[in-house]
Amino acid sequence: QQQVKQSPQSLIVQKGGISIINCAYENTAFDYFPWYQQFPGKGPALLIAIRPDVSEKKEGRFTISFNKSAKQFSLHIMDSQPGDSATYFCAARTGGSQGNLIFGKGTKLSVKP
Amino acid sequence: DAGITQSPRHKVTETGTPVTLRCHQTENHRYMYWYRQDPGHGLRLIHYSYGVKDTDKGEVSDGYSVSRSKTEDFLLTLESATSSQTSVYFCAIRDDDRSYNEQFFGPGTRLTVL
Repeated sequence: QQQVKQSPQSLIVQKGGISIINCAYENTAFDYFPWYQQFPGKGPALLIAIRPDVSEKKEGRFTISFNKSAKQFSLHIMDSQPGDSATYFCAARTGGSQGNLIFGKGTKLSVKP
Repeated sequence: DAGITQSPRHKVTETGTPVTLRCHQTENHRYMYWYRQDPGHGLRLIHYSYGVKDTDKGEVSDGYSVSRSKTEDFLLTLESATSSQTSVYFCAIRDDDRSYNEQFFGPGTRLTVL
């Protein structure tokens, strides 16, 4: 019940296309859902995040869509660029004061020129 | 970059030896975390700290211990390293001044246990 399932494991998209990464969870007590972007040899960097009382959040070319009833959320990267090639992790935070993050297993995105 | 440094950045050691990894932060954050990252597993929480001398276990704490004697430093110790502990280790802080109490990660330490 504490898992976050992420798909696909890898994704190849043409430059200018839309990249879509999906995550699903079971625990309805999760209270915050961030996405992290990681380049090789670097630490994960917070990209965008959403709370479950919001259905969509957009920051530039990055959008999170959140479906509370289905317990699913997704990251959409519009006009994908080669510089977006990285590994993306979704996560969910357990509620309460400790609020630890549970991460999906990651999606390796390659954007072809 | 949230003022997080990790040392060493790379380490090769032998099975059975003790290893200590250090995480240092400059911004007085109360919460600090140690994760390990392995292919196909994402990031998994090892231990976390919610203040000086206050620590708790995460999902994969077996074989690891932590200490926090100062706000700025969080140490991860492998008492007797095993090959299964070969991994990339990330430290993170939680910024409680931000609206979502977001976590920010350090640059990582790549540990190889031969």
